[in-house]
Amino acid sequence: EAGVAQSPRYKIIEKRQSVAFWCNPISGHATLYWYQQILGQGPKLLIQFQNNGVVDDSQLPKDRFSAERLKGVDSTLKIQPAKLEDSAVYLCASSLILGDGYTFGSGTRLTVV
Amino acid sequence: GQQVMQIPQYQHVQEGEDFTTYCNSSTTLSNIQWYKQRPGGHPVFLIQLVKSGEVKKQKRLTFQFGEAKKNSSLHITATQTTDVGTYFCAAFVTGTASKLTFGTGTRLQVTL
Repeated sequence: EAGVAQSPRYKIIEKRQSVAFWCNPISGHATLYWYQQILGQGPKLLIQFQNNGVVDDSQLPKDRFSAERLKGVDSTLKIQPAKLEDSAVYLCASSLILGDGYTFGSGTRLTVV
Repeated sequence: GQQVMQIPQYQHVQEGEDFTTYCNSSTTLSNIQWYKQRPGGHPVFLIQLVKSGEVKKQKRLTFQFGEAKKNSSLHITATQTTDVGTYFCAAFVTGTASKLTFGTGTRLQVTL
């Protein structure tokens, strides 16, 4: 089975610029998650979708971050404007149902300079 | 907010030695998952524990869920260099929306 696809793998932007990440989950997986992983830390949940509805976005900095999952399949995460502290790896994951183990994509490493 | 702490933060062992990482929560967990992340890689799901006192084994790895469902451990017998990476526990807190919170992680280094 194909894994979770993410692009791009790497992105370098200047602060105050905008950036977007894309994720395509495993086919048939209803739940999709975006995590932020700062170097040396565990992944932190930003937003969680069930099909195309948001289940939890309590830790998403909504003044600058937005995410959507149109049609309940692939998803995009956007940051506008970026800050230096947004430098991290952005991981997308999916699971068949809530409570299952997650399959992570390879992530997008964002560097804000 | 709910936190899941892991100890130790880092452990360096020689190949063939055993290794254990512990995961602790102040609140009751509905279940717990374990992930491994190789250097430069992404987390890979290892196992899920659901029942109080549950013990599961995967070859040299033994996973345990505490009786009170507030702690868990991962034990590796006779480590190999392929075990290098960071091990994360991740948990759903009982009664909350199904939000998986990752622990702080234990980084394992294995040398010959």
